[in-house]
Amino acid sequence: GAVVSQHPSRVICKSGTSVKIECRSLDFQATTMFWYRQFPKQSLMLMATSNEGSKATYEQGVEKDKFLINHASLTLSTLTVTSAHPEDSSFYICSARGRGPSSYGYTFGSGTRLTVV
Amino acid sequence: KNEVEQSPQNLTAQEGEFITINCSYSVGISALHWLQQHPGGGIVSLFMLSSGKKKHGRLIATINIQEKHSSLHITASHPRDSAVYICSTSGTYKYIFGTGTRLKVLA
Repeated sequence: GAVVSQHPSRVICKSGTSVKIECRSLDFQATTMFWYRQFPKQSLMLMATSNEGSKATYEQGVEKDKFLINHASLTLSTLTVTSAHPEDSSFYICSARGRGPSSYGYTFGSGTRLTVV
Repeated sequence: KNEVEQSPQNLTAQEGEFITINCSYSVGISALHWLQQHPGGGIVSLFMLSSGKKKHGRLIATINIQEKHSSLHITASHPRDSAVYICSTSGTYKYIFGTGTRLKVLA
């Protein structure tokens, strides 16, 4: 079945530094990639949607200059948290939707737990 | 009131029991999704449906568009079904997630 590989699974960084999270679709072409954030004991929140080759569409309240999303190819999307602060500590997860009649579902990455100290 | 509400929030069942998780929504949607989130955080998409009923193994999902309500059923529940089940709606411009139902199935 469809697989999305997300790295790293855990990262601890110092306040003010940037962190890049990668999501790769391993056996399908991800035409659309979704990035979510989840705070402890809270629901998933969609941050942004990106289509391959075009700029990401950010949800209201998500700073596009802080959360940089790149979807330059059909198999790779990255989320960079710039100038991270402790309040950015969260669980970040991607999901991908691919091409083709059987790819209507969403395949999720395994998530990245970010801790900013 | 949340636009997507799930019930119950927490559910404990004995192995073998039939389980129902409910989702009500108040917005117009193009599809409704059921997701399963494991304790480590990993998420699996279980169903995407816009009408009727879908079945996959021991899982059944139904949706009533007129009543804006969906249910996820688990037959012959097993401890490995223990997870958080999340209902999510998708519309033209918006994705909304329920707060999840935490299911624990005891052996």
